[in-house]
Amino acid sequence: GAVVSQHPSRVICKSGTSVKIECRSLDFQATTMFWYRQFPKQSLMLMATSNEGSKATYEQGVEKDKFLINHASLTLSTLTVTSAHPEDSSFYICSASPTGLYGYTFGSGTRLTVV
Amino acid sequence: GESVGLHLPTLSVQEGDNSIINCAYSNSASDYFIWYKQESGKGPQFIIDIRSNMDKRQGQRVTVLLNKTVKHLSLQIAATQPGDSAVYFCAETQGYGNKLVFGAGTILRVKS
Repeated sequence: GAVVSQHPSRVICKSGTSVKIECRSLDFQATTMFWYRQFPKQSLMLMATSNEGSKATYEQGVEKDKFLINHASLTLSTLTVTSAHPEDSSFYICSASPTGLYGYTFGSGTRLTVV
Repeated sequence: GESVGLHLPTLSVQEGDNSIINCAYSNSASDYFIWYKQESGKGPQFIIDIRSNMDKRQGQRVTVLLNKTVKHLSLQIAATQPGDSAVYFCAETQGYGNKLVFGAGTILRVKS
């Protein structure tokens, strides 16, 4: 149990376009999901906490207008990178925590390349 | 704790030896800690966890030690195998369902 599906696994987009990444909890409900970004040979940096039915909570230094998060249901959160630029190229990973329980399950990540 | 712009240190061990990976965490209020293994191009994979009311927990070939006095975690891997080669991260949180913050990470290379 506790499977998180992330889609797409890889995406290449042109500079200035927007890209949407989906994170789904397949067999549990997640009131809260988390979005991370990871640059090569670095740790996972928390970008934001996605809350079902309410606004996301962004970490300091993360532009909320650039990284739009929507958590419309208990099983789906989306991250949209708007007006992407080459410096947004990174590995984006989502995580979900079953409501009321300890434990975090991670998606397999999305490799975003902006050209 | 947070690791901004830091590159990962590397630990090289011989196959069959024991590995010890260390981590310093940042928040004295954190009460739940997790070790993850990450292979190239994949998401983190759960290894073992520990709550703050414990100082040691054992799994299969892995042991986690927690020293709250100095805010230090360690992961011990017994009889390290080539398949253990990966990047290892510690992570901390306060309460369930709250944000999970990752430490700097260590690259483990196992030499055959």
